[in-house]
Amino acid sequence: GAGVSQSPRYKVAKRGQDVALRCDPISGHVSLFWYQQALGQGPEFLTYFQNEAQLDKSGLPSDRFFAERPEGSVSTLKIQRTQQEDSAVYLCASSPGLGDYGYTFGSGTRLTVV
Amino acid sequence: DAKTTQPPSMDCAEGRAANLPCNHSTISGNEYVYWYRQIHSQGPQYIIHGLKNNETNEMASLIITEDRKSSTLILPHATLRDTAVYYCIVNNAGNMLTFGGGTRLMVKP
Repeated sequence: GAGVSQSPRYKVAKRGQDVALRCDPISGHVSLFWYQQALGQGPEFLTYFQNEAQLDKSGLPSDRFFAERPEGSVSTLKIQRTQQEDSAVYLCASSPGLGDYGYTFGSGTRLTVV
Repeated sequence: DAKTTQPPSMDCAEGRAANLPCNHSTISGNEYVYWYRQIHSQGPQYIIHGLKNNETNEMASLIITEDRKSSTLILPHATLRDTAVYYCIVNNAGNMLTFGGGTRLMVKP
């Protein structure tokens, strides 16, 4: 597609519920990043994929967060047993790969845990 | 932690040039300077990046000092649609971006 697509755009979850957030990167982009953005803050890194390999997951805040990209294209960020502090915008970005490229971000999924 | 320092907010009159400063005194030789902006309710948008030479594209110009310890993003003719948070980021090419607080630019009519 023309850009990075994320779905759903908005998600309301009850505390304790599991959620899955989807990212469709630009076709052919090798690198894929997930970020979490709390209200009024800059985005914070969660995890990074190069093709299907998850090369860095140091930013995942707890073991309730899990990300996958099994075929090297679409990625899913899963949050188990959601808590109120998980409320944030989750952003996905992709780039062609290693090199001085700019990253293209999606519009994000706004997760609200009630 | 972010490796850059930016003023938290700036105002600019519509039609005038907006000059957004960024300090990155600890930048290393292989790190690029990237600029992104984030308009309300959207994801960050790539603007421009550079290593040591000044760069210009259809959106903006990037001026990097000779010692590379600071840079300035220039929007030559700011419009109301340029109102956004602007992030200056130093990064090894291909690595994850570390965002700081950015500069909230308000373009006023």
